[in-house]
Amino acid sequence: AQSVAQPEDQVNVAEGNPLTVKCTYSVSGNPYLFWYVQYPNRGLQFLLKYITGDNLVKGSYGFEAEFNKSQTSFHLKKPSALVSDSALYFCAVRDVAGGFKTIFGAGTRLFVKA
Amino acid sequence: NAGVTQTPKFQVLKTGQSMTLQCAQDMNHNSMYWYRQDPGMGLRLIYYSASEGTTDKGEVPNGYNVSRLNKREFSLRLESAAPSQTSVYFCASLSGQRNTGELFFGEGSRLTVL
Repeated sequence: AQSVAQPEDQVNVAEGNPLTVKCTYSVSGNPYLFWYVQYPNRGLQFLLKYITGDNLVKGSYGFEAEFNKSQTSFHLKKPSALVSDSALYFCAVRDVAGGFKTIFGAGTRLFVKA
Repeated sequence: NAGVTQTPKFQVLKTGQSMTLQCAQDMNHNSMYWYRQDPGMGLRLIYYSASEGTTDKGEVPNGYNVSRLNKREFSLRLESAAPSQTSVYFCASLSGQRNTGELFFGEGSRLTVL
């Protein structure tokens, strides 16, 4: 069965500092991995995805994520955080062999302090 | 371009009442999904429809039914609401190719069951 773990409920970072939001996953086959962001009282918005190829993927708003197969991780990163990055971030996984189901982690709240 | 539209945005029910959440997408996507979001638990998949005419159970289907009315519309029905179904419900549709596309989400429907 697919599963996603986001070990941190909240991440606090100062504006201008680099940020990392952690994600580990478990699937029976090869994974397709995603990050989404949710602002208050809104639906989720797609940030980036790993399908195949280069382990470092770049997405919207300056975010990037690194796929590490041996550690089954897909951590979200940004070199310089903005106050406007404060939101709820979700990691998600889709099993290549599992068809259409996308499973989400519990979410990590990012708080960027000015 | 409206994307994914959910109605109603807010609803209060009494235990035992029934209701239907409506979802429509105008992006010509084949696959559609219903998730519920609860604090600390992320998004959990209730039901999904890989294509028009098919529906499948997700992680937490008990107490719900769905109908894929046509390619655009995918409704979620609570036959006899329970307080445990108090949640925020999100409809989503899947873009692109089968496994590699990203989900587009509606703005959510906040349901309270008293």
